[in-house]
Amino acid sequence: EVQLVESGGDLVQPGGSLRLSCTASGLAPGAVWMHWVRLAPGKGPVWVSLLRSDGITVYADSVKGRFTVSRDTAKNTFYLQMNSLRVDDTAVYYCVRDGGSGAFDFWGQGTMVTVSS
Amino acid sequence: DTVMTQTPLSSPVNLGQPASISCRSSQSLVHSDGNTYLNWLQQRPGQPPRLLIYKTSNRFSGVPDRFSGSGAGTEFTLTISRVEPEDVGVYYCMQATQIPYTFGQGTKLEIK
Repeated sequence: EVQLVESGGDLVQPGGSLRLSCTASGLAPGAVWMHWVRLAPGKGPVWVSLLRSDGITVYADSVKGRFTVSRDTAKNTFYLQMNSLRVDDTAVYYCVRDGGSGAFDFWGQGTMVTVSS
Repeated sequence: DTVMTQTPLSSPVNLGQPASISCRSSQSLVHSDGNTYLNWLQQRPGQPPRLLIYKTSNRFSGVPDRFSGSGAGTEFTLTISRVEPEDVGVYYCMQATQIPYTFGQGTKLEIK
């Protein structure tokens, strides 16, 4: 069974950086599309980024140039490097597998990122 | 970007009664490959979102058959035939036809 476990969330000051990790089991990291989605209190989910199995990356305009996704297949782990963090980046961040046909079928438990001075 | 609008934002229902949630997209969700990539997600209190329906009407593995999805183009509906206590939570529609993927603002399902 697919399991995703995020870590790395923390309280950080505006302008700071953070790296989130998503450790996967039950899947081959080099063979899947993996998304990051964030959910702020009282708001709907927001798609952040996609790392395709062929290595192509796609980002939401709100994070382009500040966030970078990557993976380490040897460690079965995906990463979201977040730089120049802003207050409105505050949210729970989830890694989500794309099961094909745009089906966001497996979600991690999420990790909380708080950007505040 | 494709805007997803859900109605109602809150839905109090009696146990055992049906419930439905509507979702409208600002543009057609029909992909150039002919498929319509509209998903429905459920988020129970304290839990991450969970996939219920993908490609408009396909139930994901393990989802009870009281959940069904329908619609086409820009208008979609999630229907629960008989609401049970474990159905309490927030429901989101999302489109995966165009990047950026976008979500509705959520509909809170409560028991009367």
